[in-house]
Amino acid sequence: NAGVTQTPKFRVLKTGQSMTLLCAQDMNHEYMYWYRQDPGMGLRLIHYSVGEGTTAKGEVPDGYNVSRLKKQNFLLGLESAAPSQTSVYFCASKSVITYEQYFGPGTRLTVT
Amino acid sequence: DQQVKQNSPSLSVQEGRISILNCDYTNSMFDYFLWYKKYPAEGPTFLISISSIKDKNEDGRFTVFLNKSAKHLSLHIVPSQPGDSAVYFCAASPVGGGAGSYQLTFGKGTKLSVIP
Repeated sequence: NAGVTQTPKFRVLKTGQSMTLLCAQDMNHEYMYWYRQDPGMGLRLIHYSVGEGTTAKGEVPDGYNVSRLKKQNFLLGLESAAPSQTSVYFCASKSVITYEQYFGPGTRLTVT
Repeated sequence: DQQVKQNSPSLSVQEGRISILNCDYTNSMFDYFLWYKKYPAEGPTFLISISSIKDKNEDGRFTVFLNKSAKHLSLHIVPSQPGDSAVYFCAASPVGGGAGSYQLTFGKGTKLSVIP
């Protein structure tokens, strides 16, 4: 039981490049989330999904797109990376009946 | 507008003493509160939670107190250990249906250092 996994762990992009971050969970959770963490800013919600095939915007969605084609996977895409998107990205999931979210180990992204 | 505030960015405590981390919130719709612990280069891990129907919840060395009238909660760690050194995030959620109850609103975190 791996819980929540994220791929890749580290990535360096040049401005304008695109990439996709993959999140996978094996807990059969309905809800999945993408956050970014910046120094002094805490965790800010980018997008979330309440079920397969559904997504919604969070607090800071601009510049990102997401897809949830399978229940266990939640993808975060950057179509044209900007230096402001340099951050640590965390994926999380939770079940319908609890409030606790379970987090992955994070992806450290640097955009130069 | 910050709905969950952790006003102390850092806290240093001697090993064996009590650590008290504070959190204030402004949204009256918040009804469930959680504390997460985060080590460097790892994801946050759930630590303890409390519902608004309670004013205290205890789990081993960790106790969370909720003062709903003051919109304030605190996490007590007794006794503090060097392994407790981490960043602690307070989070809040509204109860009930609707999209809002799926989300947690996080504070900015407090970095706890426990000195041996």
